[in-house]
Amino acid sequence: EVQLVQSGAEVKKPGESLRISCKGSGYSFTSYWISWVRQMPGKGLEWMGRIDPTDSYTNYSPSFQGHVTISADKSISTAYLQWSSLKASDTAMYYCARHSYTSSWSIDYWGQGTLVTVSS
Amino acid sequence: EIVLTQSPGTLSLSPGERATLSCRASQSVSSSYLAWYQQKPGQAPRLLIYGASSRATGIPDRFSGSASGTDFTLTISRLEPEDFAVYYCQQYGSSSWTFGQGTKVEFK
Repeated sequence: EVQLVQSGAEVKKPGESLRISCKGSGYSFTSYWISWVRQMPGKGLEWMGRIDPTDSYTNYSPSFQGHVTISADKSISTAYLQWSSLKASDTAMYYCARHSYTSSWSIDYWGQGTLVTVSS
Repeated sequence: EIVLTQSPGTLSLSPGERATLSCRASQSVSSSYLAWYQQKPGQAPRLLIYGASSRATGIPDRFSGSASGTDFTLTISRLEPEDFAVYYCQQYGSSSWTFGQGTKVEFK
């Protein structure tokens, strides 16, 4: 069974750093791109960026370029999303998601989401 | 960046009725790379349609998608109680993805 299991909810203060994770199982981790998607409270879905776990090639939405870093460790089938200095506006649910070439690069599996709360 | 505009913002319907959701792209989008997702409160989104008109695995045939130029449509032929949710379109192009802002299908 394909699963993307994300790390648990986080509560952080502005200016702190954070890394959340997404562990893939039930499939060949290096065969599928992973994206991160933000959903702010009560709002829609925003694509942040994606990584190819094979070589860690990444590309980002212009809206998120320079604000977050996406990485992966293929030896443990895990992708990461990290911030060096959080802001209150980073408060959101973050989903990792797998793109499938067999469904025209749409997202066929999603993680359960990681809620990040940034508050002083 | 391609912008996807969904309409209406909210659709108020009753079970058994037909739902027609629209997604318009700001520029040409390959039909091959247009998808629709359903999201229920407290849940991750679920893939419904990919390639503009292909149903994902396990999706009932009351869901269908179509395309005409830069206009894409998701149709739910007869609404079931479990279909009341938010629906998003998404496109892929030039190594990036964008989502529409969503259409909420609510009980009338």
